[in-house]
Amino acid sequence: EPEVTQTPSHQVTQMGQEVILHCVPISNHLYFYWYRQILGQKVEFLVSFYNNEISEKSEIFDDQFSVERPDGSNFTLKIRSTKLEDSAMYFCASRGPGASGNQPQHFGDGTRLSIL
Amino acid sequence: QKEVEQDPGPLSVPEGAIVSLNCTYSNSAFQYFMWYRQYSRKGPELLMYTYSSGNKEDGRFTAQVDKSSKYISLFIRDSQPSDSATYLCAMTRYSSASKIIFGSGTRLSIRP
Repeated sequence: EPEVTQTPSHQVTQMGQEVILHCVPISNHLYFYWYRQILGQKVEFLVSFYNNEISEKSEIFDDQFSVERPDGSNFTLKIRSTKLEDSAMYFCASRGPGASGNQPQHFGDGTRLSIL
Repeated sequence: QKEVEQDPGPLSVPEGAIVSLNCTYSNSAFQYFMWYRQYSRKGPELLMYTYSSGNKEDGRFTAQVDKSSKYISLFIRDSQPSDSATYLCAMTRYSSASKIIFGSGTRLSIRP
């Protein structure tokens, strides 16, 4: 079964450094998302992306964050200057084209980001 | 009031028991309802996906949505130790392309 692939599985970065998280969504999917889960807390929405532009973003997704689809298969999340509170699991998700009634979002296994 | 409320558990039941997991929500705009299963250090795995009120069955799993009460349930029949995981209820407003709002998750343990 097709799946969303995320790399790396674990990223350790010094505070203030830039980090890029990588995702390969399911191949025919057109909608892309990033969510995060701080340890012990809910999974929370960061941003959605469709047709090469951001369609919605949360309050968390401030100017330090950006997303890009650099080619036909990758979808990245960049954090420009990491803070300690950015430590979390980051999940990429994708959703296929077609009618709303039968296209749920599918998630990758996440990247654990640890800021030191 | 939280948008989506879910009892965090933990819930521990013997193998073979019927498990009932529930969520309530406050926003009547929610249209699409999901249950995801999350194993430790893994991503949410879609289990059930329903639109509007009613029941949906898939193998040992049954999802129920009652929009009039703003209440959703997941039932697991003949529970197995491999069902031990965190179960997340989730919902979206306008379409399934909208952002997902998750519950806090219920930790479930099935005792052999």
